[in-house]
Amino acid sequence: KAGVTQTPRYLIKTRGQQVTLSCSPISGHRSVSWYQQTPGQGLQFLFEYFSETQRNKGNFPGRFSGRQFSNSRSEMNVSTLELGDSALYLCASSLYQSSTDTQYFGPGTRLTVL
Amino acid sequence: AQSVSQHNHHVILSEAASLELGCNYSYGGTVNLFWYVQYPGQHLQLLLKYFSGDPLVKGIKGFEAEFIKSKFSFNLRKPSVQWSDTAEYFCAVIQTGANNLFFGTGTRLTVIP
Repeated sequence: KAGVTQTPRYLIKTRGQQVTLSCSPISGHRSVSWYQQTPGQGLQFLFEYFSETQRNKGNFPGRFSGRQFSNSRSEMNVSTLELGDSALYLCASSLYQSSTDTQYFGPGTRLTVL
Repeated sequence: AQSVSQHNHHVILSEAASLELGCNYSYGGTVNLFWYVQYPGQHLQLLLKYFSGDPLVKGIKGFEAEFIKSKFSFNLRKPSVQWSDTAEYFCAVIQTGANNLFFGTGTRLTVIP
């Protein structure tokens, strides 16, 4: 099976712009989670989607949003970008995202905000 | 609030040395525990996981971890490291019934040939 894919891999934006990142889960996986990875804060949970519904959300401002489509592909959007949003954004998929499911991570999208 | 602590930020070892990376979590309920590894230029991969049963779990590439409930710890071990083990290691915890992982800040391991 193909792994989790994320596009684009690299992105450079300026402050105030918005950005959309895409994630395609492993075939058959219905849960998609998003994480932000920064050197200072490490890996932090953004949100999780299952069957097109957001089931859980981390402690991030409303500028961070996401959605999931009927084919389980997911997008996350960040509006009004700030310098501090520069990070590696990771997507992970699992079958159901129960606490016993293994999450499989994609390579990430490296976002740089100038 | 749930948190995960990895006290070693950077560990440097020579090949064949033994490895132990610490992981402590703060949550009084039932948790499931994971160790992930991120090799240079690669994405996060699962090393091993603990849900229940034998507290000593074995993972890929000769790694193992021991869950000690009384100490809220899940330390990662390997008896003899190789240069190819150079990577960043993340401990993660998920509350039973929840669906989001809490990660530690990671430990960077450098193995010198």
